[in-house]
Amino acid sequence: AQTVTQSQPEMSVQEAETVTLSCTYDTSENNYYLFWYKQPPSRQMILVIRQEAYKQQNATENRFSVNFQKAAKSFSLKISDSQLGDTAMYFCAFNQYNTDKLIFGTGTRLQVFP
Amino acid sequence: SAVISQKPSRDICQRGTSLTIQCQVDSQVTMMFWYRQQPGQSLTLIATANQGSEATYESGFVIDKFPISRPNLTFSTLTVSNMSPEDSSIYLCSVILDSRWIETQYFGPGTRLLVL
Repeated sequence: AQTVTQSQPEMSVQEAETVTLSCTYDTSENNYYLFWYKQPPSRQMILVIRQEAYKQQNATENRFSVNFQKAAKSFSLKISDSQLGDTAMYFCAFNQYNTDKLIFGTGTRLQVFP
Repeated sequence: SAVISQKPSRDICQRGTSLTIQCQVDSQVTMMFWYRQQPGQSLTLIATANQGSEATYESGFVIDKFPISRPNLTFSTLTVSNMSPEDSSIYLCSVILDSRWIETQYFGPGTRLLVL
């Protein structure tokens, strides 16, 4: 069975600095998708970034980028120029190709300080 | 993108009662999902609801406790039956949109349920 592990329950970063959130996963499949979702306090879960496993190039979305290491089964999220609005729970998630079941990690609570 | 709404946004219920949560999408979607997020925890899939067929439940979740309806391509309901304090959670629906990003789920705002 696939599992997703986020080993950092909490992280903090100063505004304008860069922070990296870790995620590892376990699967025997070759084709899959990986996601980072953001859940601000008492607000809606939103998609931050997504990566297809068959793509070697790391996905980027503005200040958010990933370091996808397929052999190591690692999928970290880098947030550059952190903003106060980045304060949230961040969940890493895995989706095997041709299935619809998202498997979530336990989340990392990120606090951005002024 | 699409607008996904849930009703109610939050509720406080007495044990033994039932609550029906609605999920509405402003575009037609084939697949809808219901998740539970217990306090301070991650998300766990309850069931997949496809229009025109019975919902598919994950291990540990049963239809008698969490009946689901999916009458059309824009709407679904999840009922939490015979509630106990252990059912206190956030319940979220999600959908897969027909977009350039296949197999990507987008979430509703969630329903915060407290059972006393």
